[in-house]
Amino acid sequence: EAQVTQNPRYLITVTGKKLTVTCSQNMNHEYMSWYRQDPGLGLRQIYYSMNVEVTDKGDVPEGYKVSRKEKRNFPLILESPSPNQTSLYFCASSGPLSGANVLTFGAGSRLTVL
Amino acid sequence: GNSVTQMEGPVTLSEEAFLTINCTYTATGYPSLFWYVQYPGEGLQLLLKATKADDKGSNKGFEATYRKETTSFHLEKGSVQVSDSAVYFCALGSMDSNYQLIWGAGTKLIIKP
Repeated sequence: EAQVTQNPRYLITVTGKKLTVTCSQNMNHEYMSWYRQDPGLGLRQIYYSMNVEVTDKGDVPEGYKVSRKEKRNFPLILESPSPNQTSLYFCASSGPLSGANVLTFGAGSRLTVL
Repeated sequence: GNSVTQMEGPVTLSEEAFLTINCTYTATGYPSLFWYVQYPGEGLQLLLKATKADDKGSNKGFEATYRKETTSFHLEKGSVQVSDSAVYFCALGSMDSNYQLIWGAGTKLIIKP
């Protein structure tokens, strides 16, 4: 089944404790992206990647890092999480066969930073 | 710059009611327009899209027409069901990329039996 898989789905952590949210897709998609969803603010893009070793900042990149060493994986790294990074995070991917601007989303990762 | 504005929620309706969720956009050129839906506990998924003016996208009983003259892409459904309860996002395709989207804030829809 074609899918985007995120882990963990739920995480409670403390301020300053480094964490990584993994994202993996099995569709050979070139494009991958991370979003955060907050009440009243909709979806905001954190980082995106057009292909392996190519990453770019989205609208809210501060406090996050990403890497794209393999085509299928696009982990989101919070080096020193803070409470304002408490949010619902989504990974998405797309490729030439998806249709223009058609994204496949993961199920989301709910992160709480205490 | 390009932007999308959609009506604030939550929108609460009774089952079998008629639904309209308003979406207007500001854009240079003629981008594609999308509605994505997020069911409780799930990621977003494409509901429907329209790629040019006067196109009508439709899926699962939902429809939206790309109106260039009013810069709108309102989502409609004739008779909603409890299972339609979700958050609906209107989005505009970037003219610079086949993958980037400009998102509305989302509208939560609650359908009561």
